[in-house]
Parts: sequence; C-alpha cells; structure tokens
Amino acid sequence: DAKTTQPPSMDCAEGRAANLPCNHSTISGNEYVYWYRQIHSQGPQYIIHGLKNNETNEMASLIITEDRKSSTLILPHATLRDTAVYYCIPIFSGGSNYKLTFGKGTLLTVNP
Amino acid sequence: KAGVTQTPRYLIKTRGQQVTLSCSPISGHRSVSWYQQTPGQGLQFLFEYFSETQRNKGNFPGRFSGRQFSNSRSEMNVSTLELGDSALYLCASSLVGFQETQYFGPGTRLLVL
Repeated sequence: DAKTTQPPSMDCAEGRAANLPCNHSTISGNEYVYWYRQIHSQGPQYIIHGLKNNETNEMASLIITEDRKSSTLILPHATLRDTAVYYCIPIFSGGSNYKLTFGKGTLLTVNP
Repeated sequence: KAGVTQTPRYLIKTRGQQVTLSCSPISGHRSVSWYQQTPGQGLQFLFEYFSETQRNKGNFPGRFSGRQFSNSRSEMNVSTLELGDSALYLCASSLVGFQETQYFGPGTRLLVL
C-alpha cells in the first residue's frame, strides 16, 4: 500500500483558497488518490478522487503531478465550515481485498 | 436517498460487558465497513462485509466481531469490554467496495467505565 505524507496542520483565511498538499511517492499505477475530510466528531465525508488527470467538482479541485508522486487539494473559497481534518488516501482501483487506511491527515483551520 | 444510519449514537458500558452496534447502509449498498477512531490511534479499519460475508479484516482482537444480514444491515459486537475500547465507531457503506466512494454514518460514541 502506498504511504502518504501530509502536513499535520494548516491555516487559511476565510474566502481565500486553501491548498492542501499530499505526498504519495510510492503510489502504484492503479491506485487512485482519494480525498476525504472529517469535521469534528462527524463521520468522514468524500470530497474528490482522481487517477492522473486533474479533477474538479462542486466541492474542490484535485491537482495530481505528472509523475503522480504528489497531489494538491484546492478549496477555492474556504469557509469556516471547511475547518476539518483532510485525509489523502491512495486506493487500489481493482480487486476487493483491500483495507482503507487513514493516516493522520491535515487539520485545516479556516479563520475569519 | 437516506444516508447511513447508526444506532445507538451514544453508549456507556462498564468493563467486562459486551456491546452491539448497528449500521444501516444506504439503500442498494452491499458493502459495509467498520472503523474505530480514538485520539491516540486515529481511524482504524476493523472489518468489511459484503453480501453477508466478511471480506476484509483489520488487526483487532477476536473480541471484535461483526455480521451482515441479507438486507445489508450490519452489526458489530465487542465482548469483554476494556477501557481502551472507548472510541467513536464508524461504519461506511458503498455499492461494492473500497474502490468506490465510501459513505460514512455519524458514528456511535462508546464510553467504557
């Protein structure tokens, strides 16, 4: 399983873009990069995922480097409700024998 | 579509007792997985069930067990509770497994005294 490295915490001003990095240098070619977040004491929430192309949805954008060794989650206009722990997780795209492994994640604090 | 529901939301037990937690997945989802979250260890995978069969298992002692019913609802049981079992227990469901988006429930917070 690919290992990930994320900064333990980051701050962002409300209304500004939040850029959350993730290093996954050992990711294999058939592992997607998934991002989840967990607001305090709630269940994790899916944000976005990608394989090698950049992706965008209503919540965020995901930028994956060409060598796939790192990615950046972008929240374009952060709000106070975006304060949460953000997890970057490589997930194998095929087969059912898999365990979802959450690391420590990044605590994003959005300040007014 | 209704989300993942977990019952009860809060529970207080004493050491040595056993506890059963319930998870109702999103309609049509056949994969249900369970996680334990503690401040020290973070989110840890317990096990996954698919079509009433345990398909994956994390590194937890045999005191932790689960099952899944034909309607995909799942239960998790912890026997001989220890103080260290105090945690937030989360379940997640998906159509067929980890290669898809997981939808998490709100969790059951268990306190063992």
